Amino acid sequence: EDKVVQSPLSLVVHEGDTVTLNCSYEVTNFRSLLWYKQEKKAPTFLFMLTSSGIEKKSGRLSSILDKKELFSILNITATQTGDSAVYLCAGARGAQKLVFGQGTRLTINP
Amino acid sequence: NAGVTQTPKFRVLKTGQSMTLLCAQDMNHEYMYWYRQDPGMGLRLIHYSVGEGTTAKGEVPDGYNVSRLKKQNFLLGLESAAPSQTSVYFCASSYSMGHIDSGANVLTFGAGSRLTVL
Repeated sequence: EDKVVQSPLSLVVHEGDTVTLNCSYEVTNFRSLLWYKQEKKAPTFLFMLTSSGIEKKSGRLSSILDKKELFSILNITATQTGDSAVYLCAGARGAQKLVFGQGTRLTINP
Repeated sequence: NAGVTQTPKFRVLKTGQSMTLLCAQDMNHEYMYWYRQDPGMGLRLIHYSVGEGTTAKGEVPDGYNVSRLKKQNFLLGLESAAPSQTSVYFCASSYSMGHIDSGANVLTFGAGSRLTVL
């Protein structure tokens, strides 16, 4: 059975800290790994990773995929209170089959 | 540009009642999806559609039906609601596999519909 496991499930840090969120996956016919940020409502897309070892960056956020070890990390540097959210990781096997992890709830305290 | 719009945003039902959740997207996406989100369980796929007039079962389809009569709309129906269907429901859409952006896996989500079944 396909599964995606995120850790930690919850994380509380101070503003300015750097955080690393983890995502391990076992997905049949794996195609890509996606990260989403969910604040109050709709998850919003952050990154899609298809190749190992190639870092994707967007401002203070970056992510990388290791297809040999079947995991991905999401890094956030110089965290701000606006980074507080649930971060979702999903493994894609084909176009219609995204398998989501449980999410990591990140809280940034001022 | 509204993106993906879900109605209603909130609904309370009694066990056995029926209802329909409506999802509309204005991005000309081929694929549409219905997910449910429960605490500690992430997002689980209920049903999806790869085009107008087509639907398919996802991971947790029991107790739900769907229809995609128009490309821009995807309806999720509960014929006889049960307390186990209390959840937050998200609709999403994406381009097809052949799209130039290869964005079939990049979903755009609606704001969610919170359903409580008593």
